[in-house]
Amino acid sequence: DAGITQSPRYKITETGRQVTLMCHQTWSHSYMFWYRQDLGHGLRLIYYSAAADITDKGEVPDGYVVSRSKTENFPLTLESATRSQTSVYFCASSESWSSLGSYEQYFGPGTRLTVT
Amino acid sequence: GDSVTQMEGPVTLSEEAFLTINCTYTATGYPSLFWYVQYPGEGLQLLLKATKADDKGSNKGFEATYRKETTSFHLEKGSVQVSDSAVYFCALPLSGGYNKLIFGAGTRLAVHP
Repeated sequence: DAGITQSPRYKITETGRQVTLMCHQTWSHSYMFWYRQDLGHGLRLIYYSAAADITDKGEVPDGYVVSRSKTENFPLTLESATRSQTSVYFCASSESWSSLGSYEQYFGPGTRLTVT
Repeated sequence: GDSVTQMEGPVTLSEEAFLTINCTYTATGYPSLFWYVQYPGEGLQLLLKATKADDKGSNKGFEATYRKETTSFHLEKGSVQVSDSAVYFCALPLSGGYNKLIFGAGTRLAVHP
């Protein structure tokens, strides 16, 4: 199916464990993003990518690692999970060019991560 | 720096009531402005947008007018339905390109029959 998918949808892990959240999009969009959503903070950008092998930090990158070896995949890794990383994580993608001022991002369904 | 401020929720309304959700922004120049909606258990989706000052974005009965004088982009709907219950986010592009967005904190709307 076309679109943007995330896996797993729910994950419980322990403090100190490494966790990888997967994101896959079928549109061949150049830009991809990872956000976390926490009550009272809205969405905060963790990392973004302009193309395969091009990634950069967003607002809250500490404790996270990303890679993008293929255009369609953008995994997010928590190297050593902490309780403060309990959150809902959203992946999004957008075209590199759009009509003036479009900037529309397409979001995945989210991954709810709990760190115990 | 750029920022977005939304009215705090939750907003609780009866069906067919009038809705306003306030959004103000701080930015350089006149960026595009967006409203995204998040239905329960789902990701965000674009609700409407305005690309220049005085533009009115509209979709699904919702409207928002880009007012540069007051740096505002308030969301309105004349008659809400139970199915409009969701979280609404105001957003604008971050400087630096790459289609990055900055979001407001979100306003939860609950509509009761």
